[in-house]
Amino acid sequence: GESVGLHLPTLSVQEGDNSIINCAYSNSASDYFIWYKQESGKGPQFIIDIRSNMDKRQGQRVTVLLNKTVKHLSLQIAATQPGDSAVYFCAENGAGFQKLVFGTGTRLLVSP
Amino acid sequence: GAGVSQSPSNKVTEKGKDVELRCDPISGHTALYWYRQSLGQGLEFLIYFQGNSAPDKSGLPSDRFSAERTGGSVSTLTIQRTQQEDSAVYLCASSPFPIRGDGYTFGSGTRLTVV
Repeated sequence: GESVGLHLPTLSVQEGDNSIINCAYSNSASDYFIWYKQESGKGPQFIIDIRSNMDKRQGQRVTVLLNKTVKHLSLQIAATQPGDSAVYFCAENGAGFQKLVFGTGTRLLVSP
Repeated sequence: GAGVSQSPSNKVTEKGKDVELRCDPISGHTALYWYRQSLGQGLEFLIYFQGNSAPDKSGLPSDRFSAERTGGSVSTLTIQRTQQEDSAVYLCASSPFPIRGDGYTFGSGTRLTVV
């Protein structure tokens, strides 16, 4: 069945470091992937997305990499700040699917 | 409003009682989704609406759970005879159809506690 999972449940970094959050997916039919950030007491917030016809996409301080060969997705955050502390979820949407399937999340802790 | 609004933000109920959770999506968003998030866990899909119809309700855990959407707008998730395992944050999201590059917009959720 469909499943999206993460390699690291908690990632602790120092302010200013670069962070990398990883995600594995199992559905080879998925063609759209999204990273969300969830702060305590709030709903998930869109960060960046990528379609399967790309292998890299950059935003402001964030980069998403997609490796379809090994079904792996990563989120890179440059110059991590304390405000980046949150739980990060990857999600996938398969072709023709009407819903996103979410992973279990990685907690990012940024120390000053 | 500008975002997805959910009410109540918090609900404490006694085991066996029925509860209703409400979601006001972004105006014009035809797709509406309910997810459930247990403590420290990911998001579990419950049901998806396109307009007022629910093409996919495969995630509803049991027949105690039901949802409806009226006027292509507001949705209500009803849990009958609540159980302690129903305690979770219930998140609603809306999106234009088909799904856009910015995916869903989520509300802040309703935290349900069954005692």
